[in-house]
Amino acid sequence: AQSVTQLDSQVPVFEEAPVELRCNYSSSVSVYLFWYVQYPNQGLQLLLKYLSGSTLVESINGFEAEFNKSQTSFHLRKPSVHISDTAEYFCAVTSNSGGYQKVTFGTGTKLQVIP
Amino acid sequence: DTEVTQTPKHLVMGMTNKKSLKCEQHMGHRAMYWYKQKAKKPPELMFVYSYEKLSINESVPSRFSPECPNSSLLNLHLHALQPEDSALYLCASSQRGWDEQYFGPGTRLTVT
Repeated sequence: AQSVTQLDSQVPVFEEAPVELRCNYSSSVSVYLFWYVQYPNQGLQLLLKYLSGSTLVESINGFEAEFNKSQTSFHLRKPSVHISDTAEYFCAVTSNSGGYQKVTFGTGTKLQVIP
Repeated sequence: DTEVTQTPKHLVMGMTNKKSLKCEQHMGHRAMYWYKQKAKKPPELMFVYSYEKLSINESVPSRFSPECPNSSLLNLHLHALQPEDSALYLCASSQRGWDEQYFGPGTRLTVT
């Protein structure tokens, strides 16, 4: 069994300020980790993923996340946010046992960027 | 083409109606999914198709009936729904069962 915890349901931040969205997971096996973003009235889009290799992964729009196995975390960060980053962010985990593995989503964090 | 399309975008139906939601992808993905998402909640998995065969049904009521006519298409047939079934229905696909999923924009369903 696996689970994902996103402790912050809402994070307000001023434009151009840095932000961190927290994600912790628990699993008895090795995992793959994902961050998805959902803009209002849209589907989810992959922001970035960790499968293996470097523990620091980056997206094309300035977000990054670091896989920390000892702390079972995969926090999402951006050094300077824009108004357009206002959205719901979901952390997700699946196990790397092969075949189909159910994705477990966190409850989501609403990032509200204030002008 | 990395797009998953869904039709219709919005659907209002009565409790005695029969309707269908459609989903299409042309990325060659062999896994396709239906999710239900309520406001301010994460997506809840309903069904998984792998190689056009239903591999997972998350104890969804029989008033929801999925169908996968071919590797690119996924339908969700709706019949005798309840008002609590009102939600955003998302379709997704992935190349491998554990990999990133590509989501469609969803169908906003309202049951009256």
